[in-house]
Amino acid sequence: DTEVTQTPKHLVMGMTNKKSLKCEQHMGHRAMYWYKQKAKKPPELMFVYSYEKLSINESVPSRFSPECPNSSLLNLHLHALQPEDSALYLCASSQDRAGVTVFGPGTRLTVL
Amino acid sequence: AQTVTQSQPEMSVQEAETVTLSCTYDTSESDYYLFWYKQPPSRQMILVIRQEAYKQQNATENRFSVNFQKAAKSFSLKISDSQLGDAAMYFCAYRTTLYNFNKFYFGSGTKLNVKP
Repeated sequence: DTEVTQTPKHLVMGMTNKKSLKCEQHMGHRAMYWYKQKAKKPPELMFVYSYEKLSINESVPSRFSPECPNSSLLNLHLHALQPEDSALYLCASSQDRAGVTVFGPGTRLTVL
Repeated sequence: AQTVTQSQPEMSVQEAETVTLSCTYDTSESDYYLFWYKQPPSRQMILVIRQEAYKQQNATENRFSVNFQKAAKSFSLKISDSQLGDAAMYFCAYRTTLYNFNKFYFGSGTKLNVKP
């Protein structure tokens, strides 16, 4: 298994909803990442988990809450989002700093 | 802080011809990695090629090769025999080795169009 999977592929939510994005890998990677990508822009790093501990939070608003239940799973809990949070959310994983980063296909999020 | 610059927002190439995408970066680190990632309309970020800064030899992957000029901080991607499937957004990325995970600095991207 050499891929990162993300669910759902698409998500439409209202500003008062609570939803979660899920990411899974079975490559034995010990680092997992959330990126946000707006159209025609590069991905922006949001969070990094290394060995299941939050290592980087790039000043992300608290309405985004990451969770790493185990070494294979990464969640992003969403609450009270704003329309400007509409974007592609990419999950990625890597073994360590020498390993290749593998990206998932992304979740397209629309906030109404 | 590290910065990565891609000065070509969009480029076009005829099928079967060669195209070069430019990338420059700024860093004070001596050890790092450089990457080219491709993102087609399907959205998935796909690794095209990577280069370790300590290696003088330019990386090559089939039709893709790089011209790595460490002193000039330049890292261009050459695509030979372009194919329709090469049409995508291409991101140049710098990866620091300061952490035990991969922290990337991405360029703004170059959209490559391939004409049949």
